[in-house]
Amino acid sequence: KAGVTQTPRYLIKTRGQQVTLSCSPISGHRSVSWYQQTPGQGLQFLFEYFSETQRNKGNFPGRFSGRQFSNSRSEMNVSTLELGDSALYLCASSLGSSYNSPLHFGNGTRLTVT
Amino acid sequence: GNSVTQMEGPVTLSEEAFLTINCTYTATGYPSLFWYVQYPGEGLQLLLKATKADDKGSNKGFEATYRKETTSFHLEKGSVQVSDSAVYFCALNGDKIIFGKGTRLHILP
Repeated sequence: KAGVTQTPRYLIKTRGQQVTLSCSPISGHRSVSWYQQTPGQGLQFLFEYFSETQRNKGNFPGRFSGRQFSNSRSEMNVSTLELGDSALYLCASSLGSSYNSPLHFGNGTRLTVT
Repeated sequence: GNSVTQMEGPVTLSEEAFLTINCTYTATGYPSLFWYVQYPGEGLQLLLKATKADDKGSNKGFEATYRKETTSFHLEKGSVQVSDSAVYFCALNGDKIIFGKGTRLHILP
């Protein structure tokens, strides 16, 4: 079974631009969540989607948005990029909406904003 | 709100040493607890989990017990290997998942 796939692996953008990251979950997984990982703040939850609906949202500004398609694939968009948005962005999928469901992570997209 | 606190690293040990990485949590209700591991250049992988008090999760020689009385979920391994070098994250899943800051582990041969 294929794992969680994130594309692209690396991105370099300049301030003010926007970026879209993609995540393909494990087949059959309906929940997709996104995280930002930085050395200073660690892993921070961005949002979670389940069956195309945003179920939960972290404490990030409105520049960060996402969506989920009917095939469970998800995209995350960051507009008006700032230097502080440089980070590793991780996507994870899980089977369903359960407190017990473990997360399966992709290898991440490393975004560098210059 | 819910929170997770884990010991800061880096932790450096010699091969075959005993490992403990402390993790304590604050939560309402009865969350599930997890340990994830991140190897260099990769995403996180689930290492083990426990879903209720007194449950013990175990995998690859690692163990952690869900202690409600001390609100802890410490990770232990009796004899570490060089291949265990990675960053370890304690996590709590209530209404949304919260990760600790991570503990970097270096194992020297």
